[in-house]
Amino acid sequence: AQSVSQHNHHVILSEAASLELGCNYSYGGTVNLFWYVQYPGQHLQLLLKYFSGDPLVKGIKGFEAEFIKSKFSFNLRKPSVQWSDTAEYFCAVQPWRDTGRRALTFGSGTRLQVQP
Amino acid sequence: GAGVSQSPSNKVTEKGKDVELRCDPISGHTALYWYRQSLGQGLEFLIYFQGNSAPDKSGLPSDRFSAERTGGSVSTLTIQRTQQEDSAVYLCASRVNGRVTSNEQFFGPGTRLTVL
Repeated sequence: AQSVSQHNHHVILSEAASLELGCNYSYGGTVNLFWYVQYPGQHLQLLLKYFSGDPLVKGIKGFEAEFIKSKFSFNLRKPSVQWSDTAEYFCAVQPWRDTGRRALTFGSGTRLQVQP
Repeated sequence: GAGVSQSPSNKVTEKGKDVELRCDPISGHTALYWYRQSLGQGLEFLIYFQGNSAPDKSGLPSDRFSAERTGGSVSTLTIQRTQQEDSAVYLCASRVNGRVTSNEQFFGPGTRLTVL
């Protein structure tokens, strides 16, 4: 079975600092990769996704992620964070062929706190 | 509706009672998932419905948990004889079935269940 590790559980940054959140997965086959964000009091929203092609994926609100197949990683980055980026971020993987169920396996999440 | 809706938003119950949680997926979405988010943990897959096919129940943690989906739309997750370890946020997601590019799951706001 696949698993996802997010090693940073809680990150505190000042506004304008650069952000990188780590995500590593374990699965022997091809995967689709996702980052979801959950702002305080709101539901999970898709930030960006990778299915194939260019391993550098750009998402909403200036976020991007890079898929490095050799490292089984899909780290999330943003050059300059804002206070409004305060949220919990979840990395998720989806085996490309899993008999059609396509359920997501999530990491435990990283809580990002941006201080003004 | 515009998005996935869930009710109730909060549910407090006593240990041993049964609870029902409801999910209304996005109109036209044939795939529906239930996940559970426990404190400090990532989302855990519970059950998956796809059209009229038999549901994938492989994620249900015990036989106290069951779910149904009536008419291919609304779904109800039932937890019988609730235990304190059932306390969590229960999330529903729906997805359009089809090609790889439509693999995005849209999440509802969740139901926060507290078992006293």
